[in-house]
Amino acid sequence: EVQLVQSGAEVKKPGESLKISCKGSGYIFTNYWIGWVRQMPGKGLEWMGIIHPSDSRARYSPSFQGLVTLSVDTATSTAYLQWSSLRASDTATFYCVRSPPVDVTSVYPDYWGPGTRVTVAS
Amino acid sequence: SYELTQPPSVSVSPGQAARITCSGDALPKKYAYWYQLKSGQAPVLVIYDDNKRPSGIPERFSGSSSGTMATLTITGALVEDEADYYCYSRDNSGDSVVFGGGTKLTVL
Repeated sequence: EVQLVQSGAEVKKPGESLKISCKGSGYIFTNYWIGWVRQMPGKGLEWMGIIHPSDSRARYSPSFQGLVTLSVDTATSTAYLQWSSLRASDTATFYCVRSPPVDVTSVYPDYWGPGTRVTVAS
Repeated sequence: SYELTQPPSVSVSPGQAARITCSGDALPKKYAYWYQLKSGQAPVLVIYDDNKRPSGIPERFSGSSSGTMATLTITGALVEDEADYYCYSRDNSGDSVVFGGGTKLTVL
């Protein structure tokens, strides 16, 4: 059974750093893309970017380029989304998603994690 | 930037057909995907490649695409199908991936 297990909710202050995780199981981690999706409170879904665990090749949505960093640890089948300096506007739920092994221009989420809620407030 | 447009809400009675549309200029050439979001649960893929249903998704869920519009149809909607539904696709270059704005389906 494919599972994406995400780290727990976080409460941080503006300016702090944060790294949230997503552990994949039930499939060959290095064969599938891992992407991240943001949902701000009361809003819709936004595609943030995607990374291929085999070579850490990442592609970011222009709206998130330079604001977040995607990474993976193949030894633990875990993907990460990190911020170096959080802002209040980063308050949201973040979903990790798996995409089938297709070309990067054809990726789509086929499995989702349950989401990690991040709250940034002073 | 590329956009996919969905109606904010759709309401049907139990047993009726629910149709949720998604319009985008690149849909004649790009696949549409549909996701179901229920509060407190991981989102679920219900339709991929315009009209394919993943294993485990009930047959009452179907998808179609014609021209610049993709449609998710739930034939004989159940109260348990109440959720937010999002379409997903990409622009003609394939570089820009987007979700539609989401549609809240009410079944009552």
